[in-house]
Amino acid sequence: EEQLVESGGGLVKSGESLRLSCAASGFTLSSHSLNWVRQAPGKGLECVSSISRGSEYTYYADSVRGRFTVSRDNAKNALFLEMNTLGAEDTAVYYCARDLGGFSHALDVWGQGTTVTVS
Amino acid sequence: QSVLTQPASVSGSPGQSITISCSGSDSDVGGHNYVSWYQHRPGDAPKLLIHDVTVRPSGVSRRFSGSKSGNTASLTISGLQPEDEADYYCCSYTSVSPFVFGSGTWVSVL
Repeated sequence: EEQLVESGGGLVKSGESLRLSCAASGFTLSSHSLNWVRQAPGKGLECVSSISRGSEYTYYADSVRGRFTVSRDNAKNALFLEMNTLGAEDTAVYYCARDLGGFSHALDVWGQGTTVTVS
Repeated sequence: QSVLTQPASVSGSPGQSITISCSGSDSDVGGHNYVSWYQHRPGDAPKLLIHDVTVRPSGVSRRFSGSKSGNTASLTISGLQPEDEADYYCCSYTSVSPFVFGSGTWVSVL
């Protein structure tokens, strides 16, 4: 079964840092672009970062650019999100999601999410 | 504030059909066919229902269908069932962001 599992969430104070991880199983990570999508309490979904298959291309939403850094280790089938200078507005459930790929742009495999709370 | 506008809520009785709209612009929905739809039940991971405007992934019920006209995409749920109660999000590729989500629509089954 193709699966993504996030970890690393928790409760931190404003201004602190956190590193999220996403482990993939059941498929070859290097074949897909990957994304971090978050949902703040009572809000909708927001794609905060994306990274291409070979890490040549990265995307950051305006809300996190300069504070968050996305990376991946294809050999270890893992995706990461380094989050610095966290603020209350970053409180959310963070999902990693796989891009379907090919000639499509859609997120076909999602993790269960990890919760980040900034006090 | 999302650039893709959806109604906040839509409701229907079991067995009925409902349609959720997703209004965008030439820069997103109207500019290409990379429109997708997701179902998100509370506490669960979002689930891909439709990609490339009309394509249903394997395993997704045929009761879900997608379409597009100009700058507006639509998701239709036919034969509404109690388990369809969830949030639904449209999503579009844009030139500045690979995935821009709609504001979300809560579907309630009366």
